[in-house]
Amino acid sequence: RKEVEQDPGPFNVPEGATVAFNCTYSNSASQSFFWYRQDCRKEPKLLMSVYSSGNEDGRFTAQLNRASQYISLLIRDSKLSDSATYLCVVNTGGGTSYGKLTFGQGTILTVHP
Amino acid sequence: EPEVTQTPSHQVTQMGQEVILRCVPISNHLYFYWYRQILGQKVEFLVSFYNNEISEKSEIFDDQFSVERPDGSNFTLKIRSTKLEDSAMYFCASSSGRVLYEQYFGPGTRLTVT
Repeated sequence: RKEVEQDPGPFNVPEGATVAFNCTYSNSASQSFFWYRQDCRKEPKLLMSVYSSGNEDGRFTAQLNRASQYISLLIRDSKLSDSATYLCVVNTGGGTSYGKLTFGQGTILTVHP
Repeated sequence: EPEVTQTPSHQVTQMGQEVILRCVPISNHLYFYWYRQILGQKVEFLVSFYNNEISEKSEIFDDQFSVERPDGSNFTLKIRSTKLEDSAMYFCASSSGRVLYEQYFGPGTRLTVT
């Protein structure tokens, strides 16, 4: 089983649509979880951290289910500028690693007019 | 807004040559990292660094790789004898250690080994 697994997509949605991405992780000891976005040939940019109780930042909502080892990201009212690859990222470091991030392959989102 | 910077943006080198990739982390951050991304593949962890020593490294980070914080601002990755398969985008990241060790990435150095 891959450490972090995502549906690669692509997801093609019209502006204004709601889209959801899912991710599963294999290491039950993982402590922290993130969603990053990556534009073509650019660096990953932190979109949001994912808290156990779920959290929202504007049009973005992240959920974590530790029992199922499942993370989700919901984007409401999609904008053209949301077109990017969305990376599910898990801190799989142990002990004194101070943050070893393991990345999923990414889910490609294209928002069209 | 503070950001991580990296130089050069693109480095071309011949197989067997040594390269040094440079990074300036965000100024009040204490934790530093290197990742790489081979074209079309996922981002992979190489090494984490704290308090002037390596805290964790991956299997990729073999004896050909080394990291250093030569002064109070720079963080470097050295590849001693480059191979064709080292061609990738190398990202530096830093973290304050607060908020789940959130990491902020630099724009990357594209390394091409010929």
